[in-house]
Amino acid sequence: EPEVTQTPSHQVTQMGQEVILRCVPISNHLYFYWYRQILGQKVEFLVSFYNNEISEKSEIFDDQFSVERPDGSNFTLKIRSTKLEDSAMYFCAILVVVQGESATNEKLFFGSGTQLSVL
Amino acid sequence: RKEVEQDPGPFNVPEGATVAFNCTYSNSASQSFFWYRQDCRKEPKLLMSVYSSGNEDGRFTAQLNRASQYISLLIRDSKLSDSATYLCVVNILLYGQNFVFGPGTRLSVLP
Repeated sequence: EPEVTQTPSHQVTQMGQEVILRCVPISNHLYFYWYRQILGQKVEFLVSFYNNEISEKSEIFDDQFSVERPDGSNFTLKIRSTKLEDSAMYFCAILVVVQGESATNEKLFFGSGTQLSVL
Repeated sequence: RKEVEQDPGPFNVPEGATVAFNCTYSNSASQSFFWYRQDCRKEPKLLMSVYSSGNEDGRFTAQLNRASQYISLLIRDSKLSDSATYLCVVNILLYGQNFVFGPGTRLSVLP
């Protein structure tokens, strides 16, 4: 299972502040994702990032959010002007493609998450 | 209609019991299917992929019925350590890769 490191593990911020969440996959990958999970709710897709461009984004991923891969290694999620409702666990994920004999399998592996608390 | 739906749960079962979880998906363009396990306040971890022919991994068996758009997970001889939330995940290849999560079904295995 590939390793995906997220920092920080916890982030506390004041409403209106900007936060940057970081994700570092150990090996080279092309497909990255950000998901979030509000406490007690389901895992929600935010954005996918392929070959240094946004591939797809959800309704949640509005102008408040942005993603970057600034140095070819780190993958960041920036949340501008945070709101109380942004409090959630944010997960980075990478896509691993496994070529089998008869089919190609794509699997998603997650980092351990950043718990964001907006006060 | 929600894209991925699961049994609402929670399921409370004694050790050694067999338990089955059901999942339905609405988008016929869905291409691949998975079961993930999530412990409290942790990241989802891949339990197994689900194939049309059905697949088994130890005590876990997954089935897929494309015609009915239905996925199942069977856990035999359940252990205390199986207590977790089980997430049904569907990959919809409409515009690139998009993995959609169900709400999860909570399982508690009791001693």
